Amino acid sequence: GQNIDQPTEMTATEGAIVQINCTYQTSGFNGLFWYQQHAGEAPTFLSYNVLDGLEEKGRFSSFLSRSKGYSYLLLKELQMKDSASYLCAVRDSNYQLIWGAGTKLIIKP
Amino acid sequence: TAGITQAPTSQILAAGRSMTLRCTQDMRHNAMYWYRQDLGLGLRLIHYSNTAGTTGKGEVPDGYSVSRANTDDFPLTLASAVPSQTSVYFCASSLGTGNEKLFFGSGTQLSVL
Repeated sequence: GQNIDQPTEMTATEGAIVQINCTYQTSGFNGLFWYQQHAGEAPTFLSYNVLDGLEEKGRFSSFLSRSKGYSYLLLKELQMKDSASYLCAVRDSNYQLIWGAGTKLIIKP
Repeated sequence: TAGITQAPTSQILAAGRSMTLRCTQDMRHNAMYWYRQDLGLGLRLIHYSNTAGTTGKGEVPDGYSVSRANTDDFPLTLASAVPSQTSVYFCASSLGTGNEKLFFGSGTQLSVL
């Protein structure tokens, strides 16, 4: 079966750095997405990786290793507004999106 | 800018009743999707439409139906609601069906009692 694994919850301190991991086992691979979802709101797109390596976008970076079936989202200079759930999703060989259950990130002052 | 709009925001529905969740987008996106989100689970695809006039079944289609008469609208109908359909429902759209990102509506919280 297809599976996306992420930690259920993480806690970090304002101003610090946090890394949220995502491992996947899917039927083929056609890209990996990270979305941010604040409580009670819709998911919004953060990043997309299809090739190995690091994609940097401001305070957020996303890394992919296709051979290891692994990605991480790196958040720097954490702000209170970064408290949210972070969803990892992979497109399989049929271009269907497989979603992880999400990682709830709690930021403490 | 509207983007993608869902209605209603929330609804309490008696088991056995029918209901249609509405979804409209003004971005001229070809593909549209309905997901349900339940605590502890990833988003699960109910139905999708790659272009106006076509629809397909997702991971959890039973008990739901959709139509795509035009580009903008993609309603989701529950013919006879059951308590297990209590969930948050998100409509989403994307420009195409390749690797484009999804844009989500604000969601509908549905409780079936």
